[in-house]
Amino acid sequence: NAGVTQTPKFQVLKTGQSMTLQCAQDMNHNSMYWYRQDPGMGLRLIYYSASEGTTDKGEVPNGYNVSRLNKREFSLRLESAAPSQTSVYFCASSDTGGAGVEAFFGQGTRLTVV
Amino acid sequence: DAKTTQPTSMDCAEGRAANLPCNHSTISGNEYVYWYRQIHSQGPQYIIHGLKNNETNEMASLIITEDRKSSTLILPHATLRDTAVYYCIAANSGGSNYKLTFGKGTLLTVNP
Repeated sequence: NAGVTQTPKFQVLKTGQSMTLQCAQDMNHNSMYWYRQDPGMGLRLIYYSASEGTTDKGEVPNGYNVSRLNKREFSLRLESAAPSQTSVYFCASSDTGGAGVEAFFGQGTRLTVV
Repeated sequence: DAKTTQPTSMDCAEGRAANLPCNHSTISGNEYVYWYRQIHSQGPQYIIHGLKNNETNEMASLIITEDRKSSTLILPHATLRDTAVYYCIAANSGGSNYKLTFGKGTLLTVNP
């Protein structure tokens, strides 16, 4: 049982390049999330998907797009990378329900934009 | 989601109980208190959550005050591996409104 898997683990991009961060979960969760974490800071929500076929903006969506490809997969795309997007990106998933839910996080993608 | 306030850092001796406080004075009636931790830039790890009652699991205990304006996470016998940043979060339960808002958390350092 792999949980939440992110690829790649590390990436270096040049300013202006594009790339897609991949995330997959094997827990049959409805909801998936993308966060970024800058040095010394907490995690900030970029986008989330409450269920297959829906996506919504989080706190810091500018410069990103997402695709909920199916129930398992939620990708994050940087169309034109900027140095300000240098960060660690975490994907997470959770079930939906009324009694409090636990979110599961991937191990992160460390992105550097030069 | 309600804002939470935590101390920036705390120290604890190995083998002793670690008590991490959190203030969430504006928490609403349908918001749970969640605790997560992050060890050395790994992905955050769920610890425990509660609504009104105190909760205990194999990792920790969560004590929520009667007015729900504050809570304390207790690690009963801290080990060196518990050194991490601990996040206290108030969030709605599940559904499309379930989003975790992370602050800066408390850096707990467990000393030998």
